Amino acid sequence: DTGVSQDPRHKITKRGQNVTFRCDPISEHNRLYWYRQTLGQGPEFLTYFQNEAQLEKSRLLSDRFSAERPKGSFSTLEIQRTEQGDSAMYLCASSLADPGGQYFGPGTRLTVT
Amino acid sequence: GENVEQHPSTLSVQEGDSAVIKCTYSDSASNYFPWYKQELGKRPQLIIDIRSNVGEKKDQRIAVTLNKTAKHFSLHITETQPEDSAVYFCAAGYNNNDMRFGAGTRLTVKP
Repeated sequence: DTGVSQDPRHKITKRGQNVTFRCDPISEHNRLYWYRQTLGQGPEFLTYFQNEAQLEKSRLLSDRFSAERPKGSFSTLEIQRTEQGDSAMYLCASSLADPGGQYFGPGTRLTVT
Repeated sequence: GENVEQHPSTLSVQEGDSAVIKCTYSDSASNYFPWYKQELGKRPQLIIDIRSNVGEKKDQRIAVTLNKTAKHFSLHITETQPEDSAVYFCAAGYNNNDMRFGAGTRLTVKP
Protein backbone atom coordinates (compact mmCIF):
# COMPACT_ATOMS: atom_id res chain seq x y z
CA ASP A 1 0.00 0.00 0.00
CA THR A 2 1.60 3.24 -1.14
CA GLY A 3 -0.92 5.57 0.53
CA VAL A 4 -0.60 7.56 3.72
CA SER A 5 -0.63 5.37 6.82
CA GLN A 6 -1.22 6.25 10.45
CA ASP A 7 -0.65 4.36 13.65
CA PRO A 8 -2.42 3.60 15.89
CA ARG A 9 -5.90 3.70 14.37
CA HIS A 10 -7.53 4.03 17.78
CA LYS A 11 -6.23 5.26 21.11
CA ILE A 12 -8.05 5.42 24.40
CA THR A 13 -6.26 7.23 27.17
CA LYS A 14 -6.99 8.72 30.53
CA ARG A 15 -7.00 12.44 31.08
CA GLY A 16 -3.54 13.72 31.93
CA GLN A 17 -1.64 11.04 30.01
CA ASN A 18 0.63 11.72 27.06
CA VAL A 19 -0.04 10.18 23.66
CA THR A 20 1.99 9.98 20.46
CA PHE A 21 0.73 9.27 16.97
CA ARG A 22 2.71 8.37 13.89
CA CYS A 23 2.16 9.22 10.23
CA ASP A 24 3.95 7.76 7.23
CA PRO A 25 3.36 9.87 4.11
CA ILE A 26 3.42 8.85 0.48
CA SER A 27 7.12 8.34 -0.15
CA GLU A 28 7.70 10.99 -2.81
CA HIS A 29 5.67 13.67 -0.99
CA ASN A 30 7.76 16.30 0.75
CA ARG A 31 4.89 17.99 2.55
CA LEU A 32 3.12 16.50 5.56
CA TYR A 33 0.12 17.97 7.36
CA TRP A 34 -1.68 17.28 10.60
CA TYR A 35 -5.37 18.01 11.07
CA ARG A 36 -7.94 17.38 13.74
CA GLN A 37 -11.53 16.50 12.87
CA THR A 38 -14.50 16.38 15.20
CA LEU A 39 -17.91 15.01 14.36
CA GLY A 40 -19.77 17.10 11.84
CA GLN A 41 -16.85 19.40 11.11
CA GLY A 42 -14.24 19.73 8.43
CA PRO A 43 -10.59 19.00 9.12
CA GLU A 44 -8.99 21.70 11.25
CA PHE A 45 -5.41 22.57 10.33
CA LEU A 46 -2.85 21.96 13.09
CA THR A 47 0.58 22.14 11.48
CA TYR A 48 2.58 21.22 8.41
CA PHE A 49 6.11 20.30 7.38
CA GLN A 50 8.07 20.69 4.22
CA ASN A 51 10.72 18.01 4.43
CA GLU A 52 11.92 18.19 8.05
CA ALA A 53 11.07 21.87 8.56
CA GLN A 54 7.88 22.76 10.42
CA LEU A 55 6.68 25.72 8.39
CA GLU A 56 3.46 26.64 10.11
CA LYS A 57 1.58 25.90 13.27
CA SER A 58 -2.00 26.91 13.96
CA ARG A 59 -2.33 29.77 16.42
CA LEU A 60 -5.15 27.81 18.01
CA LEU A 61 -2.83 24.93 18.82
CA SER A 62 -2.10 24.48 22.50
CA ASP A 63 1.49 24.24 23.76
CA ARG A 64 0.60 20.71 24.81
CA PHE A 65 0.77 19.70 21.14
CA SER A 66 4.09 19.13 19.41
CA ALA A 67 5.00 17.57 16.10
CA GLU A 68 8.23 16.40 14.59
CA ARG A 69 9.45 15.10 11.27
CA PRO A 70 13.09 14.41 12.06
CA LYS A 71 14.28 12.93 8.77
CA GLY A 72 11.73 14.41 6.44
CA SER A 73 9.88 11.12 6.15
CA PHE A 74 7.50 9.98 8.90
CA SER A 75 6.10 12.38 11.47
CA THR A 76 4.92 12.12 15.05
CA LEU A 77 2.31 14.19 16.84
CA GLU A 78 2.48 14.23 20.63
CA ILE A 79 -0.20 15.51 22.95
CA GLN A 80 0.89 16.03 26.52
CA ARG A 81 -1.43 16.06 29.54
CA THR A 82 -4.44 15.09 27.45
CA GLU A 83 -7.81 16.67 28.16
CA GLN A 84 -11.28 15.43 27.27
CA GLY A 85 -11.53 18.18 24.67
CA ASP A 86 -8.67 16.57 22.79
CA SER A 87 -10.93 13.67 21.83
CA ALA A 88 -11.14 13.75 18.03
CA MET A 89 -9.92 12.11 14.86
CA TYR A 90 -6.35 13.14 14.08
CA LEU A 91 -5.70 13.09 10.36
CA CYS A 92 -2.41 13.21 8.56
CA ALA A 93 -2.07 14.17 4.90
CA SER A 94 0.80 14.49 2.47
CA SER A 95 1.36 16.29 -0.80
CA LEU A 96 3.92 17.49 -3.22
CA ALA A 97 4.83 21.09 -2.47
CA ASP A 98 3.10 22.34 -5.57
CA PRO A 99 1.01 21.38 -7.40
CA GLY A 100 -1.15 18.57 -6.19
CA GLY A 101 -3.77 17.86 -3.63
CA GLN A 102 -3.36 16.53 -0.14
CA TYR A 103 -3.87 12.81 0.35
CA PHE A 104 -5.18 11.79 3.73
CA GLY A 105 -4.39 8.86 5.93
CA PRO A 106 -7.08 6.84 7.72
CA GLY A 107 -6.70 8.85 10.91
CA THR A 108 -6.13 8.06 14.57
CA ARG A 109 -9.25 8.27 16.69
CA LEU A 110 -8.35 9.54 20.16
CA THR A 111 -10.71 9.12 23.07
CA VAL A 112 -9.76 10.77 26.35
CA THR A 113 -11.68 9.44 29.33
CA GLY B 1 -6.07 33.98 7.97
CA GLU B 2 -8.36 32.23 5.55
CA ASN B 3 -11.97 31.57 6.45
CA VAL B 4 -14.11 29.22 4.37
CA GLU B 5 -17.89 28.99 4.55
CA GLN B 6 -19.84 26.18 2.91
CA HIS B 7 -23.51 25.86 2.04
CA PRO B 8 -25.79 24.05 2.35
CA SER B 9 -24.94 21.90 5.35
CA THR B 10 -27.28 19.17 4.10
CA LEU B 11 -28.57 18.44 0.62
CA SER B 12 -30.98 15.78 -0.50
CA VAL B 13 -31.58 15.06 -4.19
CA GLN B 14 -33.29 12.44 -6.24
CA GLU B 15 -31.10 10.02 -8.18
CA GLY B 16 -30.32 11.50 -11.59
CA ASP B 17 -30.72 15.11 -10.46
CA SER B 18 -27.87 17.58 -10.12
CA ALA B 19 -26.34 18.76 -6.86
CA VAL B 20 -24.56 22.05 -6.25
CA ILE B 21 -22.48 22.94 -3.21
CA LYS B 22 -21.13 26.45 -2.72
CA CYS B 23 -18.19 27.84 -0.79
CA THR B 24 -16.90 31.32 -0.11
CA TYR B 25 -13.43 32.26 1.05
CA SER B 26 -12.01 35.39 2.61
CA ASP B 27 -8.33 35.59 1.64
CA SER B 28 -7.79 36.96 -1.85
CA ALA B 29 -4.29 35.42 -1.84
CA SER B 30 -5.75 31.90 -1.88
CA ASN B 31 -5.05 30.24 -5.20
CA TYR B 32 -5.84 26.57 -4.70
CA PHE B 33 -9.33 25.12 -4.10
CA PRO B 34 -9.74 21.36 -3.67
CA TRP B 35 -12.89 19.38 -2.96
CA TYR B 36 -12.96 16.26 -0.83
CA LYS B 37 -15.52 13.47 -0.43
CA GLN B 38 -15.71 11.70 2.90
CA GLU B 39 -17.80 8.59 3.35
CA LEU B 40 -18.82 7.51 6.81
CA GLY B 41 -15.87 6.28 8.82
CA LYS B 42 -13.41 6.83 5.99
CA ARG B 43 -10.70 9.32 5.16
CA PRO B 44 -11.37 12.43 3.02
CA GLN B 45 -10.68 11.68 -0.64
CA LEU B 46 -9.65 14.36 -3.12
CA ILE B 47 -12.17 14.38 -5.98
CA ILE B 48 -11.32 17.53 -7.92
CA ASP B 49 -9.36 20.73 -7.51
CA ILE B 50 -8.99 24.05 -9.27
CA ARG B 51 -6.38 26.76 -9.33
CA SER B 52 -7.05 30.46 -9.49
CA ASN B 53 -5.84 30.79 -13.07
CA VAL B 54 -8.77 28.64 -14.24
CA GLY B 55 -12.48 29.44 -14.07
CA GLU B 56 -13.90 25.95 -14.50
CA LYS B 57 -12.73 22.36 -14.45
CA LYS B 58 -14.63 19.17 -15.29
CA ASP B 59 -14.04 15.53 -14.62
CA GLN B 60 -16.82 13.28 -15.89
CA ARG B 61 -19.90 14.01 -13.74
CA ILE B 62 -18.23 16.54 -11.47
CA ALA B 63 -17.20 20.10 -12.17
CA VAL B 64 -15.91 23.00 -10.15
CA THR B 65 -16.32 26.69 -10.95
CA LEU B 66 -14.38 29.56 -9.43
CA ASN B 67 -15.25 33.25 -9.27
CA LYS B 68 -12.17 35.04 -7.97
CA THR B 69 -13.80 38.44 -7.92
CA ALA B 70 -16.62 37.28 -5.70
CA LYS B 71 -14.35 34.85 -3.83
CA HIS B 72 -16.62 31.87 -4.24
CA PHE B 73 -16.36 28.45 -5.81
CA SER B 74 -18.85 25.68 -6.37
CA LEU B 75 -18.99 21.93 -6.87
CA HIS B 76 -21.47 20.58 -9.40
CA ILE B 77 -22.40 16.90 -9.57
CA THR B 78 -24.60 15.86 -12.46
CA GLU B 79 -26.63 12.65 -12.87
CA THR B 80 -26.24 11.88 -9.18
CA GLN B 81 -26.10 8.25 -8.06
CA PRO B 82 -26.68 6.74 -4.60
CA GLU B 83 -22.93 6.14 -4.27
CA ASP B 84 -22.41 9.91 -4.43
CA SER B 85 -23.96 10.08 -0.95
CA ALA B 86 -21.26 11.34 1.41
CA VAL B 87 -20.02 14.48 3.13
CA TYR B 88 -18.28 16.90 0.79
CA PHE B 89 -15.72 19.43 1.98
CA CYS B 90 -14.33 22.42 0.14
CA ALA B 91 -10.99 23.96 1.06
CA ALA B 92 -8.95 27.02 0.17
CA GLY B 93 -5.35 28.03 0.59
CA TYR B 94 -2.24 29.45 -1.01
CA ASN B 95 -0.12 26.90 -2.88
CA ASN B 96 -1.34 24.03 -0.71
CA ASN B 97 -0.18 25.86 2.43
CA ASP B 98 -2.33 26.07 5.52
CA MET B 99 -5.49 24.79 3.85
CA ARG B 100 -8.75 25.82 5.51
CA PHE B 101 -11.73 23.55 5.15
CA GLY B 102 -15.42 24.28 5.08
CA ALA B 103 -17.72 22.62 7.60
CA GLY B 104 -18.99 20.13 5.06
CA THR B 105 -22.18 19.30 3.14
CA ARG B 106 -23.96 16.03 3.76
CA LEU B 107 -25.30 14.92 0.39
CA THR B 108 -27.98 12.25 0.25
CA VAL B 109 -28.99 10.82 -3.11
CA LYS B 110 -32.31 9.04 -2.90
CA PRO B 111 -32.85 6.12 -5.27
